[in-house]
Amino acid sequence: AQTVTQSQPEMSVQEAETVTLSCTYDTSENNYYLFWYKQPPSRQMILVIRQEAYKQQNATENRFSVNFQKAAKSFSLKISDSQLGDTAMYFCAFMGPQGGSEKLVFGKGTKLTVNP
Amino acid sequence: DGGITQSPKYLFRKEGQNVTLSCEQNLNHDAMYWYRQDPGQGLRLIYYSQIVNDFQKGDIAEGYSVSREKKESFPLTVTSAQKNPTAFYLCASSIPTINSPLHFGNGTRLTVT
Repeated sequence: AQTVTQSQPEMSVQEAETVTLSCTYDTSENNYYLFWYKQPPSRQMILVIRQEAYKQQNATENRFSVNFQKAAKSFSLKISDSQLGDTAMYFCAFMGPQGGSEKLVFGKGTKLTVNP
Repeated sequence: DGGITQSPKYLFRKEGQNVTLSCEQNLNHDAMYWYRQDPGQGLRLIYYSQIVNDFQKGDIAEGYSVSREKKESFPLTVTSAQKNPTAFYLCASSIPTINSPLHFGNGTRLTVT
């Protein structure tokens, strides 16, 4: 079974600085999908960014980018120019090639605090 | 605006009572999901439904039940058989295709005493 590991339960960063959240996963699949979700204090989770494993280019969404290292099975999230609104729980998630969202496997999350 | 509405935001029940959590979506999504979130845990799938009048058990379905009589609605009942019902419950929906992202509601915090 696939597993997703987020080794940093909590992190903090100063406003305007850059922070990287780590995520590793275990799979024997070659094609799969990876996601980062954000859960702010309001508790509504939203998709931050996603990556298809067959794409070599790292995904980028404005200040959010990923460092996808397929061989190392690593999928870290970089937040540039951190803002107070980035304070949230961040969940990494894995989806295999066969499944829809019912096959999503979530990590336990990293609590990020952006300090003014 | 399209979205998912979960109600109520906070719910309190006495042990031994069944309780139903509401989830409504107007995104016209076929697939809907219920997740449970506990401190220090990721999200765990309780039930999901990919089409009206059909649903499947997730990883932790014991003590829960659902129905899907309408495309827009996917209520979750927490029964007295659920040993540790106090948790945060999230409802989500998606287009039932690979790589489609989940859209989440705001969640319901259930406390059973």
